[in-house]
Amino acid sequence: EIQLQESGPGLVKPSQSLSLTCSVTGYTITSGYDWSWLRKFPGNKMEWMGFITYSGSTNYNPSLKSRISITRDTSKNQFFLQLNSVTTEDTATYYCARDEQPYWYFVFWGPGTMVTVSS
Amino acid sequence: DIVMTQSPSSLAVSAGETVTINCKSSQSLLYNGNQKNYLAWYQQKPGQSPKLLIYWTSTRQSGVPDRFIGSGSGTDFTLTISSVLAEDLAIYYCQQYYHTPTFGSGTKLEIK
Repeated sequence: EIQLQESGPGLVKPSQSLSLTCSVTGYTITSGYDWSWLRKFPGNKMEWMGFITYSGSTNYNPSLKSRISITRDTSKNQFFLQLNSVTTEDTATYYCARDEQPYWYFVFWGPGTMVTVSS
Repeated sequence: DIVMTQSPSSLAVSAGETVTINCKSSQSLLYNGNQKNYLAWYQQKPGQSPKLLIYWTSTRQSGVPDRFIGSGSGTDFTLTISSVLAEDLAIYYCQQYYHTPTFGSGTKLEIK
């Protein structure tokens, strides 16, 4: 069974970069599908941030395009999120998920990791 | 971006009642090539990640009880939960995948 697990710092200072890892078990990320990052803000708003495809291409939410980077380490079956120049408005619970490529709905999710941006 | 407008933002019902949650998209989610509406529904229980309930507007994900019914077409969609149980306490989201994914603002379901 496929499982995803987010990891990374729970506290990031304003203007710094947020870096998270999604570790995938039960499926090889180069075999298929898109591998996404999403976040849920306080107040319940959900936002799709971007994905990396099984072949390594990326697609980002235009609202984040200048600040976001999604990469991967195929040897570890992991993919990563980097969000630059964070502000307090980036405080959220971050999820990694797999879609049903080519369709962008999400069946498999990690449990999420809370990230607070604060000095 | 396609904007998803969800209502109500919250509601409280007694167990056994029927609940209707509405979702409206700023443009049609119906793709003429396959006559499918690119709309999904999720349930997020407290402390858990979202769980896919329904995709293609009305197709239940494996294991989802038939109390959950999705309907609609074009720009107007509905999630109906019949005979609500205490375990249905959650936030429900609609999501379009016609273009770059966007979500509704969520509906918090409370059980009286």
